[in-house]
Amino acid sequence: AQKITQTQPGMFVQEKEAVTLDCTYDTSDPSYGLFWYKQPSSGEMIFLIYQGSYDQQNATEGRYSLNFQKARKSANLVISASQLGDSAMYFCAMRTRDSSYKLIFGSGTRLLVRP
Amino acid sequence: DAMVIQNPRYQVTQFGKPVTLSCSQTLNHNVMYWYQQKSSQAPKLLFHYYDKDFNNEADTPDNFQSRRPNTSFCFLDIRSPGLGDAAMYLCATSRLPGTGGSYEQYFGPGTRLTVT
Repeated sequence: AQKITQTQPGMFVQEKEAVTLDCTYDTSDPSYGLFWYKQPSSGEMIFLIYQGSYDQQNATEGRYSLNFQKARKSANLVISASQLGDSAMYFCAMRTRDSSYKLIFGSGTRLLVRP
Repeated sequence: DAMVIQNPRYQVTQFGKPVTLSCSQTLNHNVMYWYQQKSSQAPKLLFHYYDKDFNNEADTPDNFQSRRPNTSFCFLDIRSPGLGDAAMYLCATSRLPGTGGSYEQYFGPGTRLTVT
């Protein structure tokens, strides 16, 4: 079975602090990709960061980094120096060859950044 | 800027009255997707096109149809909207898998459908 699990329905973080959003995945396919998307209240899904299963290094994109622990099947998103505009819903997603490259989404984590 | 555009952003329709949502893209991506997203839930894939090849999800109701007349445009038709079809509808695009890279999906801003 292929599954993405996000165990934190909601989180708070103080502005300028770092926050980690958890994501675990399950797949038997050795080739897969992991994605994080941000969805503000406006509704648009914004692609943040990607990690391939064969990538040796953790992905980074500006203030976003992905803590990829393959043995634990986890792909946590780290946001450094949180900003008020980071308040949004965050979805972890996976695609595999078995899923015909369709995205399998987690249930999401709602992040609220406090001033 | 290359992008995915959805029109309209907000659509109100009456129970049972057909409605069409549109999506266009300037990314020249081969693959286009339609998702339904209800409040506080993850997006649910309805169907997708690999070029002109249509792929329906097994649990997508027959009430939902789609057309892709060319690479740039894709339409979602809801033949007889019910109250349960009120949702955000998201269009997304990606490159064709197998061509190298991450194939991330790029989403449009969505159309929020209300059924009265």
